[in-house]
Amino acid sequence: QQQVKQSPQSLIVQKGGISIINCAYENTAFDYFPWYQQFPGKGPALLIAIRPDVSEKKEGRFTISFNKSAKQFSLHIMDSQPGDSATYFCAASRSNYQLIWGAGTKLIIKP
Amino acid sequence: NAGVTQTPKFQVLKTGQSMTLQCAQDMNHEYMSWYRQDPGMGLRLIHYSVGAGITDQGEVPNGYNVSRSTTEDFPLRLLSAAPSQTSVYFCASSYGGTNEKLFFGSGTQLSVL
Repeated sequence: QQQVKQSPQSLIVQKGGISIINCAYENTAFDYFPWYQQFPGKGPALLIAIRPDVSEKKEGRFTISFNKSAKQFSLHIMDSQPGDSATYFCAASRSNYQLIWGAGTKLIIKP
Repeated sequence: NAGVTQTPKFQVLKTGQSMTLQCAQDMNHEYMSWYRQDPGMGLRLIHYSVGAGITDQGEVPNGYNVSRSTTEDFPLRLLSAAPSQTSVYFCASSYGGTNEKLFFGSGTQLSVL
């Protein structure tokens, strides 16, 4: 019940395309869902986060879509750029208990 | 503003050796934590602290020890290194004693032979 399953493991998208990464969770008590971006040799950095009281949150080219009934949430990167090439992690937590992390998606944007 | 600083960046140990990974933050964050990152497994929480003098175990605490004597510093001690502890270790901090909006250091790559 504590797992967060992330897919795909890797993703190649053409420049200008839409990148979509999906996560699924089991614990219905989770109430905080962040996405982190990690470049090689660096620590992860918070990209965007959502709570289950909204179905979508957008920040620039990055959007989280949240489906509470399906227990799924996804990250959409519009107009993907080579600088977006990184590893992306989803995570989930319940009331400030520890974050449970997905396994990560390595995204490559081809110029 | 340095953020979260981890030292060393790389370390090679022999089985059975002990060492301390250092973590310091200059943002006056109450919450600090240690994660390990292994390929295909995401990040796993080792130990965390919600303030000076307060520490607690995370998901994978065995073989590791922590203390929090000041707000700024949160060292991670490997008591007797094992090959299974070969990993990349990240320290992270956040404001207000919560695990939201974590700021990560650049990591320590540890190899145990």
